[in-house]
Amino acid sequence: EMVMTQSPATLSVSPGERATLSCRASQSVSSNLAWYQQKPGQAPRLLIYGASTRATGIPARFSGSGSGTEFTLTISSLQSEDFAVYYCQQYNNWPYTFGQGTKLEIK
Amino acid sequence: QVQLVESGGGLVKPGGSLRLSCAASAFTFSDYYMSWIRQAPGKGLEWISYISSGSSITNYADSVKGRFTISRDNAKNSLYLQMNSLRVEDTAVYYCARNLDLRDWGQGTLVTVSS
Repeated sequence: EMVMTQSPATLSVSPGERATLSCRASQSVSSNLAWYQQKPGQAPRLLIYGASTRATGIPARFSGSGSGTEFTLTISSLQSEDFAVYYCQQYNNWPYTFGQGTKLEIK
Repeated sequence: QVQLVESGGGLVKPGGSLRLSCAASAFTFSDYYMSWIRQAPGKGLEWISYISSGSSITNYADSVKGRFTISRDNAKNSLYLQMNSLRVEDTAVYYCARNLDLRDWGQGTLVTVSS
C-alpha cells in the first residue's frame, strides 16, 4: 500500500502570510495527486487534482506542484477561512490513500 | 448544485449489519464513478470502496473486503454500502463522494459499532 506522509503535522502561520504544505509518497504516483481541505464538522473539499489543477471554484491563492514522490500545496496569502486541516491523496494505485493531514492554525 | 445525502447510519453491535444509502441529485448520476470514504472520530480519511458508473467495476480496501458491498441503482440515483460483520474499528463517519477525484461529498453519516 502506498504511504503518503505529510509535513509538518501542524503549521502555524499569520493571516496574510504564505503557507507551504508538503506531501511525500512512498513510491511514484506520477501526477495522480489531490489535495483536500477539511474544516471541523464538515466534509472534505477538493482543492487540487492532477497535482496542480485547481478544482472548480477554488481561489487562485491555492496552488499545487510536484510530481513523482514530492508534492507541495501553497497558499499564497492566508485568509481566515483557510485555517483547516489539509490532506493529500494519491489515486495512482489502489488502494487510494490519504496522508495523515496537516493542521493549519493561526499564529 | 450537486447534492449527495447519506443516510442509514446508527448504533449497531459488533457482528451486526447496516446498509448505508447515498441519494444523489443535480447531476447525471449514471455517468459517474462513486465512492465511499470513512473517517474514524478524530482521525484521518480512508477510501474504502468505489464503483464504476455501470457497476461493472468495484474495488475495496483490505480493511473491508469480504464484509462490505458497494452497489448502485442508477434509476434511483442512489449509491449503497452494505456493511456486514461490523467491528468496533468500523466506527466512523461514512461519506459518499462523486467521481474518482472526489469532487463532491455528502455531509456524512455516523456509524457507531459498540456493545
